[in-house]
Amino acid sequence: AQSVAQPEDQVNVAEGNPLTVKCTYSVSGNPYLFWYVQYPNRGLQFLLKYITGDNLVKGSYGFEAEFNKSQTSFHLKKPSALVSDSALYFCAVRDNSGSARQLTFGSGTQLTVLP
Amino acid sequence: NAGVTQTPKFRVLKTGQSMTLLCAQDMNHEYMYWYRQDPGMGLRLIHYSVGEGTTAKGEVPDGYNVSRLKKQNFLLGLESAAPSQTSVYFCASSNPSGSGTGELFFGEGSRLTVL
Repeated sequence: AQSVAQPEDQVNVAEGNPLTVKCTYSVSGNPYLFWYVQYPNRGLQFLLKYITGDNLVKGSYGFEAEFNKSQTSFHLKKPSALVSDSALYFCAVRDNSGSARQLTFGSGTQLTVLP
Repeated sequence: NAGVTQTPKFRVLKTGQSMTLLCAQDMNHEYMYWYRQDPGMGLRLIHYSVGEGTTAKGEVPDGYNVSRLKKQNFLLGLESAAPSQTSVYFCASSNPSGSGTGELFFGEGSRLTVL
């Protein structure tokens, strides 16, 4: 079975400071890892993914994530936070087998960027 | 540029009533999913479909039924609504692309309240 843990329900950061949203995973085989963002009363939007290759993945809106196989982590980062980055962030994982490509989502981390 | 469209967006039901949520996608995606989102629990997969005429159970299928009579539509039915089914429901779609990554595209959500 695959699982995702987002250990922080809430992350607060000042505008202009770097931000990190943590994610650890468990999966058999090689992982496919994703980050999604959800703004209030909206659906989830894809941010970035790790499939293979370079451990540092760059995505939309200046976000990036670092895949660390030994620590089974895939933390989301941004060098300089914006107030508009305030949203709910979800990490998701699936293994590289199976026909339905089912994702398992974490419980979400609410990011608040303070002006 | 509609993407994934869910109807209705809001609905209030009494216990025991039935209803159907409709999901339509215009991206010619093979795979479609229904998730529910509850506070602190992330997204949980209810049912999914890997193609027209096929459906399968996800993590929390009890109390729900689905149908995929047309490739572009995926219906979620509640035969006898219960207060525990009060939630926000999200439909998503994806394609088994050549890279096999298939990130999900989400609708805006349907907020259901069962009294």
